[in-house]
Amino acid sequence: GQNIDQPTEMTATEGAIVQINCTYQTSGFNGLFWYQQHAGEAPTFLSYNVLDGLEEKGRFSSFLSRSKGYSYLLLKELQMKDSASYLCAVMDSGAGSYQLTFGKGTKLSVIP
Amino acid sequence: DAEITQSPRHKITETGRQVTLACHQTWNHNNMFWYRQDLGHGLRLIHYSYGVQDTNKGEVSDGYSVSRSNTEDLPLTLESAASSQTSVYFCASSTLENEQFFGPGTRLTVL
Repeated sequence: GQNIDQPTEMTATEGAIVQINCTYQTSGFNGLFWYQQHAGEAPTFLSYNVLDGLEEKGRFSSFLSRSKGYSYLLLKELQMKDSASYLCAVMDSGAGSYQLTFGKGTKLSVIP
Repeated sequence: DAEITQSPRHKITETGRQVTLACHQTWNHNNMFWYRQDLGHGLRLIHYSYGVQDTNKGEVSDGYSVSRSNTEDLPLTLESAASSQTSVYFCASSTLENEQFFGPGTRLTVL
């Protein structure tokens, strides 16, 4: 089985930097995904990490440490439109398994 | 452009009725998934399929069934709807180990 933990809510100021942490325990690991979900909408893909290290994509970066079972999503130069839920998801490495197990999500509120 | 669609977008039904939610993708993806999303639980996997005629149970499959007769469609059926199945349902598709693309969701209310 898998267990994924992330903070329930966070608040940050427009223009600032925020880091959303995710810890996981899994019997097998084949990658970690971050999704963004605005209220009332579908999740959309942000990033994918399968090797240790930092992946940067514009204002968003994602970090992975497999030995620590830890990832974070870093959002820079926050904008009001970044107010959303951020979902951490782990892909199991079982044979033929492409399932994702999701954390409960972190609701980020960006304030002026 | 390739896309994934769900219908209906909103549905109200009564306890005990059979309900089918449609999911259609034009990505030509082999993998398709159904999730439900509830406050306090996040996204939970109901059923999934890795190709035509293949279906598998997920974490919360009781009371649900799926069938995969072609690559494009994975309909989700609630055999006898219960109030506990009131939720937002998302369909998703992917290729191998790549990211999943989600449909717009169906909000189902069971009275």
